[in-house]
Amino acid sequence: AQKVTQAQTEISVVEKEDVTLDCVYETRDTTYYLFWYKQPPSGELVFLIRRNSFDEQNEISGRYSWNFQKSTSSFNFTITASQVVDSAVYFCALSEDTGNQFYFGTGTSLTVIP
Amino acid sequence: NAGVTQTPKFQVLKTGQSMTLQCAQDMNHEYMSWYRQDPGMGLRLIHYSVGAGITDQGEVPNGYNVSRSTTEDFPLRLLSAAPSQTSVYFCASRPFGGVGDTQYFGPGTRLTVL
Repeated sequence: AQKVTQAQTEISVVEKEDVTLDCVYETRDTTYYLFWYKQPPSGELVFLIRRNSFDEQNEISGRYSWNFQKSTSSFNFTITASQVVDSAVYFCALSEDTGNQFYFGTGTSLTVIP
Repeated sequence: NAGVTQTPKFQVLKTGQSMTLQCAQDMNHEYMSWYRQDPGMGLRLIHYSVGAGITDQGEVPNGYNVSRSTTEDFPLRLLSAAPSQTSVYFCASRPFGGVGDTQYFGPGTRLTVL
């Protein structure tokens, strides 16, 4: 079974619209870590955020915000006032307590149309 | 610091050929890993290592060998390439004790097997 599910395969929005990327995870560990990465068309993987399972505070960084809800096993990512430079594939990932394996979702491809 | 480096960036092989994908890091990280990225599949863990002389299998290890003789280097070997191994390969590293730390990814190697 998939440990990280990103149900949205592709999303297109018009510039300046807000967009939310969904991530649902599955784990039996009480200690775990969640991540978001961005993969722009150039192909590299860019780290965006890390959240541990004991910290459910939402986080905002500029136009980016993350909503972590343990009750629904979700770690969603919102981009406010999207820009063309936000066009990329976004991956959600899970690391469990031992940390030896990282589980990635299948990614959401975001296209921001000017 | 150069971070995580991978060579080559691109490679074309014929079925049955062997090759080694190189990965090196200069951050003194104990943990290193190899992933493959295929369309619609996200990143999947091939092998990982928690230190020199210690390696273990990930989700998709078949057809790949690894060894870790130094902290810095973690090569991935394809003994007899198959078209199913056409993919983009990423190497990553992080401190072993940093269970919640993000992994630092190399730029990737795009491999085509004909």
